[in-house]
Parts: sequence; C-alpha cells; structure tokens
Amino acid sequence: LAKTTQPISMDSYEGQEVNITCSHNNIATNDYITWYQQFPSQGPRFIIQGYKTKVTNEVASLFIPADRKSSTLSLPRVSLSDTAVYYCLVARRGGNKLVFGAGTILRVKS
Amino acid sequence: NAGVTQTPKFQVLKTGQSMTLQCAQDMNHEYMSWYRQDPGMGLRLIHYSVGAGITDQGEVPNGYNVSRSTTEDFPLRLLSAAPSQTSVYFCASSWVGGGTDTQYFGPGTRLTVL
Repeated sequence: LAKTTQPISMDSYEGQEVNITCSHNNIATNDYITWYQQFPSQGPRFIIQGYKTKVTNEVASLFIPADRKSSTLSLPRVSLSDTAVYYCLVARRGGNKLVFGAGTILRVKS
Repeated sequence: NAGVTQTPKFQVLKTGQSMTLQCAQDMNHEYMSWYRQDPGMGLRLIHYSVGAGITDQGEVPNGYNVSRSTTEDFPLRLLSAAPSQTSVYFCASSWVGGGTDTQYFGPGTRLTVL
C-alpha cells in the first residue's frame, strides 16, 4: 500500500475552515483515499472516502486532483469538538489491511 | 446495536502472565481485526479475520494469538505478556474486508505490562 505523508500538527480557531493535505505518491489504480478521525481515548471513526475529484458529506469534503498523488481533507467552520487526530490512509479495494500513519493532530482554539 | 464492544477497558499484567482481550460485534460483520496503538503513533495491525474459522497475520503478530469460532467474537490472546506489549488495543469490524470498507472501532483496552 502507498505510504502517506501528512503534517504532524495544525492549529486553528473556531469558525475557520481547515484543510489537511496528504501526499501519497505511489498510489495504485485500485487504491482509494480514506480519512479517519480519532478523539482522545476513543477508537478511530470513518470520516470520508474518495477515488478522484471531490467528495462531500455532512462532515467534510475531500479533494483529489487528477494525478491522485495527494488529497486534501476540508473541514468547514471547525469547532472545539473537532480537536482530534486525523489519519489519511490509502485503502485497496478488495484488500484486507489498513496502514495507519502517525496522523495530523488538529487543535482548535477558541 | 451495541456496535463493537471490548473488555476489559483497563488491565495490568505482570511479565509472563497470559490473558485474553475480548472483542464482540453485533452487526453481523464478516471482517474483524485487532490493532495496537503506542503513544504518538498510528495504529498497527496485529491480526485480522475475514470470517469464522479464518484468520491471518497483520503487521505486528508476534506474541499474539487469535481465533474466530463465531462471526460475533474475535478474542486476542497474549500468551506470555512482555513490557513491550504495553499499549492500547483496538478491535474493529466491517462488512466484508479491511480495505475500502468502513471500519467500526471499539473503545479500546488499555494494557500495562509491568
């Protein structure tokens, strides 16, 4: 599976839009980009998944350029409760393993 | 639905002791897996199962055993605990596989080995 690289940490303020970029240069044709969120003392939770262009759900948007070598998770108008670790993963369709990197620690301040 | 449940929430062991971490799901998911998470790191896959009677190794399987006798349960056994196994353990499940299927994680078990 392709290795992912994302910033170690980011700070933001309530009400701002937050964009977390992830690079995955060796992504394969059968791979999807998946993001999970983890709050302290909890297991990760699925946020969003995409293959190309743009995906939006009630929580976030995911932007994937045509070459798919990177992706950007966009969180609109963050609140204090969005403080968490965000993991970018490359997941293979039909695969049986997920590889988590260290993730990005997002701190939202008031 | 209770989702994915794990017991115990906390456990302290002495080196050399054995124990079983329990994981159960009530969503009729075929795929189940175990991860460990060490401070400041992401999750690492220990073992996984694609259905009852079928298990396979993940990234860090040494020192751990698993079995899957039912769809609902996927216990993780530590045969002889070592301090290096001090970690937080998460169980997860999904409908079919461990790739693009949404993984549902349990609340975790915090294990300390002295």
